Amino acid sequence: AQSVAQPEDQVNVAEGNPLTVKCTYSVSGNPYLFWYVQYPNRGLQFLLKYITGDNLVKGSYGFEAEFNKSQTSFHLKKPSALVSDSALYFCAVRDMYNTDKLIFGTGTRLQVFP
Amino acid sequence: DTGVSQDPRHKITKRGQNVTFRCDPISEHNRLYWYRQTLGQGPEFLTYFQNEAQLEKSRLLSDRFSAERPKGSFSTLEIQRTEQGDSAMYLCASSLGRERVNQPQHFGDGTRLSIL
Repeated sequence: AQSVAQPEDQVNVAEGNPLTVKCTYSVSGNPYLFWYVQYPNRGLQFLLKYITGDNLVKGSYGFEAEFNKSQTSFHLKKPSALVSDSALYFCAVRDMYNTDKLIFGTGTRLQVFP
Repeated sequence: DTGVSQDPRHKITKRGQNVTFRCDPISEHNRLYWYRQTLGQGPEFLTYFQNEAQLEKSRLLSDRFSAERPKGSFSTLEIQRTEQGDSAMYLCASSLGRERVNQPQHFGDGTRLSIL
């Protein structure tokens, strides 16, 4: 079964500092990985995806993610955090064997302090 | 691109009542998904449509739940005889089809259901 794990419930970072939100995956075959962000009482907004190619993927709002096959990780990063980045972040893997549905992690709450 | 639209945004009802939610996907998207998200959890897959055909249903979708997408455009999700455990955010997402398999799913803002 395919799955992703987000080991941190919350990440705290000061504004202007780099941030990392961790995600590890377990799949059979090549993974299709995604990051989404959710603001309060809103749906999920797509940030970026890894399908194939370069291990460093650039996405929306200055976010990027690093795919590491040997460590089965897909960590989300940003060089300089903003207070407005405070939100709930979800890592997801696509189920490639059936309907392409997304399998989500439990989420990591990012809190950026001024 | 007006995005995925869901209605209503909030629904409060008494236990045992029936509720129906609507989702309008992005117009050219032929795939439509329903997910359920409870507090502190990631979204969980409920069901999936390709055009008007419902191709997969999760085991989470008990016989009290039914979903339709009659003309391959908007979709409805109905819950009959609601229970306390049905309280959750119900999210709809849409995407382009198999020819564009790498395209991401786009989510609506959800319908938050509260059962009294």
